[in-house]
Amino acid sequence: AQTVTQSQPEMSVQEAETVTLSCTYDTSENNYYLFWYKQPPSRQMILVIRQEAYKQQNATENRFSVNFQKAAKSFSLKISDSQLGDTAMYFCAFMKHGGSQGNLIFGKGTKLSVKP
Amino acid sequence: GAGVSQSPSNKVTEKGKDVELRCDPISGHTALYWYRQSLGQGLEFLIYFQGNSAPDKSGLPSDRFSAERTGGSVSTLTIQRTQQEDSAVYLCASSLAYNSPLHFGNGTRLTVT
Repeated sequence: AQTVTQSQPEMSVQEAETVTLSCTYDTSENNYYLFWYKQPPSRQMILVIRQEAYKQQNATENRFSVNFQKAAKSFSLKISDSQLGDTAMYFCAFMKHGGSQGNLIFGKGTKLSVKP
Repeated sequence: GAGVSQSPSNKVTEKGKDVELRCDPISGHTALYWYRQSLGQGLEFLIYFQGNSAPDKSGLPSDRFSAERTGGSVSTLTIQRTQQEDSAVYLCASSLAYNSPLHFGNGTRLTVT
C-alpha cells in the first residue's frame, strides 16, 4: 500500500522569504503522479503543482517549484518570495498511474503561516 | 463560470439523526468525487461517480453512508444515524474527465453533537 508522510505539522516564514515543505512517500509502483494541494481557510482544495514520476525535470509553477527525488521517494515543495496569501494548509498527494483522482492518497498536511 | 458548489456550508446535527449533503459540480464535468477530511487529517476518499457507470463506493466507511448522483449532475451524500465520529469536513470535487485535474468545492463542515 502507498503512504504519504509530511513530517512538518506546522511551519512559518517571513513574507518575501523562501520556505520548503517536505513530503516523502512509499510505493512499489514505478509510474505515478505526485501533487501539492493548498487549502486556505475557505476550505477549498487548490492544485498547486503536479509532477509525473517518469519526468526527471522538476515541475515549476511561478513561485512554486518541487524537488523530486525518485530514488529517495521525496517530493518537497519550495515557495519563493512568500506572500501573505500563501498562508494555508498544504497537502502532498500520490496517485498511481492509471488510477483515478479518487485514488489520491494524501498526507496529513503542513500548516504554513506567512508572517508580515 | 461557477465552480463546485456545496450546501450547506455548515451543519450541526444530533447523534442518531440523518443528514444530506449536496454537491453541484461544474457544468459538463463527468466525474464527481466525495472526500472526508477529519480534524488534522488529509483527505479520505469516499465515493466516485463517472458518467453513467456504476459508482466506485470502495471508500464508504460503513453502510450508514450512501450517495446518489441524479442526471449525471447534482450529487447528494447521505449519512444515516449519525455518530460523533462522523464529524468532519465533507469535500466534493468534480473533473472534466477520468484523469483530469480536480476542482473542489468549499466543503460542508458537519458537527454531530
